[in-house]
Formats: sequence, C-alpha cells, structure tokens
Amino acid sequence: ETGVTQSPTHLIKTRGQQVTLRCSSQSGHNTVSWYQQALGQGPQFIFQYYREEENGRGNFPPRFSGLQFPNYSSELNVNALELDDSALYLCASRRTGRATEAFFGQGTRLTVV
Amino acid sequence: DAKTTQPNSMESNEEEPVHLPCNHSTISGTDYIHWYRQLPSQGPEYVIHGLTSNVNNRMASLAIAEDRKSSTLILHRATLRDAAVYYCILSTGNQFYFGTGTSLTVIP
Repeated sequence: ETGVTQSPTHLIKTRGQQVTLRCSSQSGHNTVSWYQQALGQGPQFIFQYYREEENGRGNFPPRFSGLQFPNYSSELNVNALELDDSALYLCASRRTGRATEAFFGQGTRLTVV
Repeated sequence: DAKTTQPNSMESNEEEPVHLPCNHSTISGTDYIHWYRQLPSQGPEYVIHGLTSNVNNRMASLAIAEDRKSSTLILHRATLRDAAVYYCILSTGNQFYFGTGTSLTVIP
C-alpha cells in the first residue's frame, strides 16, 4: 500500500468544461508531481510542487494548473477540456531530491466527450 | 530532454532470469536511473534506482554501464506476478522522464 490516494477514480466530462482532480500524499512527503498517461503510452510529466510552490513544469499549456496545500495534498485543475485530455492522471509523492523513491497513486481516469 | 530507449516487449519463462535493457545516451552526470513497473489500471510501482554503481534489492538488481549510457534491470527468477510494463526513467532536476516502457510477458 503506497499511501497515495487519488479521487475520483473515474470521471466523464464534456469538452469545454473544467475539472479538478485531488491527491493525498504519503505521510512525510513534501513533493508532489502530476503525470498524464495516454492509452498505451508512458506517463508524461505535467508539473511538480514543493512546499506549496510549483518548481517544475513539463510541456503542458497554462490551462493545466495546480495547487499544493500545507498538508502537502494537491489538486490538478484543467480548464477548457479537450478530447485529447482523455487519459489516466497520476499523482506521485516523495521526499524532495532526485534520488528519492516516488510513490504513485492509482490514478484518475478522465474521459472527455 | 533526457530520454530512454527500451524494447517494446520481451518474454521470459517462469523461474528464469530476465534482463531488461535500457539506453540513455543523453544522461547527464547528476541524473539518477530509476526503474518502475506498472500493472494494468494501476499506478507505477518503484523497483530500484542507482547513480553509478550496480545496485541490489529484494526485488531486482540494476547493472549500470561504466559510461552510464545504458543500464539493465535484472529479475533473478521471473514469476507470473512480474508480468508488467517496466519503465526505465531518468530522474533529472524536478521530474521523471518516462520512456514507452517494455511489456514483459512471463510464460508459465
């Protein structure tokens, strides 16, 4: 059991709508990252938060935004949903540092119709 | 961007060793090499990581080439539960760079 929980597990939204996905970090982990995984592909880095500040971002447009709270939980917000946003969204938490192990949640399956 | 290259798929017989290769020719001196695996409908699971020296843990071994441009994940005795997609990842700065992964099939 990783201790990282994501909600909801599945979600269906209409093109143009907005969505918020949530992630609870493993205890003691101050760094949270979000990834998008399209069907049959490896996860792609969206952004990372450390102590409530974004400290890294992948090649995603500004309509992908996030928050990290004082308890290190996190949200991913996506505005103006597009069909191509349909994917598994993964949250990973870890202690800061490139040598640390990351713990992933089960993901949220988002379908945009 | 740091990138990894892996074979799309591999097969192994149960209880035999498996060697999963990965090329990462653009690796920089401070990048760590991580391996994760993913079962269907689940998030990736940590397997092992290293920087320069070979590493062993209860799940696997990681052999890193002297020039660090390639590495090999070694599962010493494959079981049916090891069937998964294995990702070789470079940890650089603030993110993990995933490749497309190797789908491992274990044959009973």
